[in-house]
Parts: sequence; structure tokens; C-alpha cells
Amino acid sequence: TQLLEQSPQFLSIQEGENLTVYCNSSSVFSSLQWYRQEPGEGPVLLVTVVTGGEVKKLKRLTFQFGDARKDSSLHITAAQPGDTGLYLCAGDLEAGSYQLTFGKGTKLSVIP
Amino acid sequence: EPEVTQTPSHQVTQMGQEVILRCVPISNHLYFYWYRQILGQKVEFLVSFYNNEISEKSEIFDDQFSVERPDGSNFTLKIRSTKLEDSAMYFCAMPGQVGNEQFFGPGTRLTVL
Repeated sequence: TQLLEQSPQFLSIQEGENLTVYCNSSSVFSSLQWYRQEPGEGPVLLVTVVTGGEVKKLKRLTFQFGDARKDSSLHITAAQPGDTGLYLCAGDLEAGSYQLTFGKGTKLSVIP
Repeated sequence: EPEVTQTPSHQVTQMGQEVILRCVPISNHLYFYWYRQILGQKVEFLVSFYNNEISEKSEIFDDQFSVERPDGSNFTLKIRSTKLEDSAMYFCAMPGQVGNEQFFGPGTRLTVL
């Protein structure tokens, strides 16, 4: 059973386009994180959201946590080739566990 | 943001051998985590360790695995008798300040032949 489902799995867009990737679950999360991972490296934390409906911005990246804290989205404005990479969402279930559950990721390619 | 180093960066071992992977936080932490990622698959939780005791572990973390804090600074993950399917990237992680965010180390690539 996929606790965290990310879509799309793969996304290829032209430089300058906007895009949104999604992270969905039937479970409620206490907090949710977005990471970016390069091949052969560890996930690098981009943002943490904790409140339902919360929106956080990091330059051209906008992150939103769903009102029910079951889903999240990452929107990139005017994508650049440097945005190419694997974007992972991860969260801790509200039941009180501190372990992170990861999605499989969205592999983004931005073509110059 | 906690900084973490991991050694070795790459370890090649024969099936059945014991391996010890190390994680060194830059600052003092009581809490740390180990995760693994098989090539092409998602990151999976192995174990969390708090104040010298295991606080949570997953089904993956069976009797072949153990964790320690041998000298009060670095943390180790030991696999007693490696299997081919243990080949993966192993990451340690430290907690941050917001929610349950965790900061990951660069990982150790374990290859079991």
C-alpha cells in the first residue's frame, strides 16, 4: 500500500514553463517535507509544512499543505535547467511516530 | 541545520561479511535515524535511536542489523552477515527544528557481491 503517492512520476518541460507536482495520501500527517535528491546523494531538505492550508515560498518554488494535512503540492514558476532533479515528499504520520514515510518521487527534467 | 558526515562513502563487501557504517554529526544530538534506499526505489526507514536506545524500528531492521553509539559522538549501523539484497544507499539523518523534519547525510553506498 502506497502511503504517499507522488504524481507525475516523470515530467519533462521546457525552460520557462510552470509546473506543479503532487503528493497525496489517505493518511493525515503531522508534518510534511519536500526534498530534492541528486543521483548518488542524500535527500536535501527544501521545506517543512506543519499547518493545514499552509503555503511556503522559496524563491520560484511554492509549497502548499492541504487543509486536511493529507496532501501537498510543489509549484515551480519559470523552471530552469538547474531545477532538474528528483523531488521527494515525506511525512510523519499523526500517530506519533517520528519515522518519515517517503513517496517514490517526481523526476523533473527541464530542457534548455 | 545539522551537518552530518558518513563513512565510508562506498563499501564493497562479500556476501556473509559484516559491515559497519558510520555517521558523525557535527553537533551533539541525542536522536538520529537510519534509512536505506535500494537503487531506483524509495527511501525506507530502518531505525531511530534516542539516548542510546532504539525507539522505533521497521520490519527491515531484523536481527542482522544493530545500531550503536560507541564513543558518544559517532553512530554506527552494523549488518552482521550481509546479503545481496542489502546492497543499497544507507543514510543517517538528524532532526531539525520544524515539525519532524530531518537532515540527511550524504550516504554510504553498500555493494554486496
